[in-house]
Amino acid sequence: AQSVTQLDSHVSVSEGTPVLLRCNYSSSYSPSLFWYVQHPNKGLQLLLKYTSAATLVKGINGFEAEFKKSETSFHLTKPSAHMSDAAEYFCVVGAISGGYNKLIFGAGTRLAVHP
Amino acid sequence: EADIYQTPRYLVIGTGKKITLECSQTMGHDKMYWYQQDPGMELHLIHYSYGVNSTEKGDLSSESTVSRIRTEHFPLTLESARPSHTSQYLCASSEQGISYEQYFGPGTRLTVT
Repeated sequence: AQSVTQLDSHVSVSEGTPVLLRCNYSSSYSPSLFWYVQHPNKGLQLLLKYTSAATLVKGINGFEAEFKKSETSFHLTKPSAHMSDAAEYFCVVGAISGGYNKLIFGAGTRLAVHP
Repeated sequence: EADIYQTPRYLVIGTGKKITLECSQTMGHDKMYWYQQDPGMELHLIHYSYGVNSTEKGDLSSESTVSRIRTEHFPLTLESARPSHTSQYLCASSEQGISYEQYFGPGTRLTVT
């Protein structure tokens, strides 16, 4: 079965410092992995996705994630945090269940950025 | 540009009322989804559709119902709203296949008093 675990429920960084949001996955086959961001009172926006091509995936707004099969991890990083990065981030794995495709969401990591 | 719309954005309604949450997409996607999200929590799939006249229950049991009469439209209905239905409801659509991301609408925040 497919699942994702986001290791931190809250992360707090100072503006201009690096961001690391951790995600481990479990999948019985080669996974499709996604990071979504949700700003307050907004819908979800796709940051990036991994679909068995390059293991280092670059997304929007300077975010990137590295797929590490040996560690079953897909951590999200950004070299320098901006105030506008404050939001909820969801690590997501694609799965097939009961004959249909679905997304399985992690519990989310709330990122706070301080001046 | 990918567009998916939800109306209303916010709804406060009394117990026992019938409500319909609207969702429309302009991308021609066959697959559409409804998720329920409580504050600070992950999303739970409550309904999905493969295409016109196709609707299925998701992972989380819900008293709501959905219909898919047109490709672009996937409304969700609660026949008799209760306070336990208070939540955020997010609609999404995608192409076929697990490698395709889902595009999300802005959500409807429902409060039942």
